[in-house]
Amino acid sequence: EVQLVESGGTLVQPGGSLRLSCAASGFTFSSFWMHWVRQTPGKGLVYVSGMNSDGSQTRYADSAKGRFTISRDNTKNTLYLQMNSLRVEDTAVYYCASQVALGYWGQGTLVTVSS
Amino acid sequence: EIVLTQSPGTLSLSPGERVSLSCRASQSGIGSNLAWYQQKPVQAPRLLIYGASSRATGIPERFSGSGSGTDFTLTISRLEPEDLAVYYCQQYGSSPITFGPGTKVDIK
Repeated sequence: EVQLVESGGTLVQPGGSLRLSCAASGFTFSSFWMHWVRQTPGKGLVYVSGMNSDGSQTRYADSAKGRFTISRDNTKNTLYLQMNSLRVEDTAVYYCASQVALGYWGQGTLVTVSS
Repeated sequence: EIVLTQSPGTLSLSPGERVSLSCRASQSGIGSNLAWYQQKPVQAPRLLIYGASSRATGIPERFSGSGSGTDFTLTISRLEPEDLAVYYCQQYGSSPITFGPGTKVDIK
């Protein structure tokens, strides 16, 4: 059974930092692009960042450039998102998702940025 | 950045009806790299269609995708009560990946 399990979401103050993790199982994690997508409660889906299978290529939305860093550890089948200089508008559920055609998504982890 | 526009924003239909949802890209260049997702309340998105017209594993045949260039369509041939959801299109042919704002489907 394929599973993507996100963790690390919590309440953090504006300007703070947080690292999200996504533990993958049930498929060959090391062979595929992986992505982070976020969703503000009640709103639409917004792409955040992506990384190719060996970590040599990354993609970032403009809102994430310079503040967020995506990484992966293929020995641990885990994807990460380091988020720095967090803003109130970064408050959202953060989903980990596989390469599009595979269609694997986690259940999300809630990040709340508030003082 | 490619902007995706979805229409209509909301529609309310009866079970058994045929549904056509539109997704239009602001410029060409995505080829057939267009996906459709279904999201029900308090659930993660579920992939329905990828490559504009390929049905994902386990997706009922009543869901189909078509289109190319800048105009794409998701069709539900016969609406079922469980199809109550928000439907998003996503383009992954041009960086950054972008999503449409969604179409909410209500069941009468």
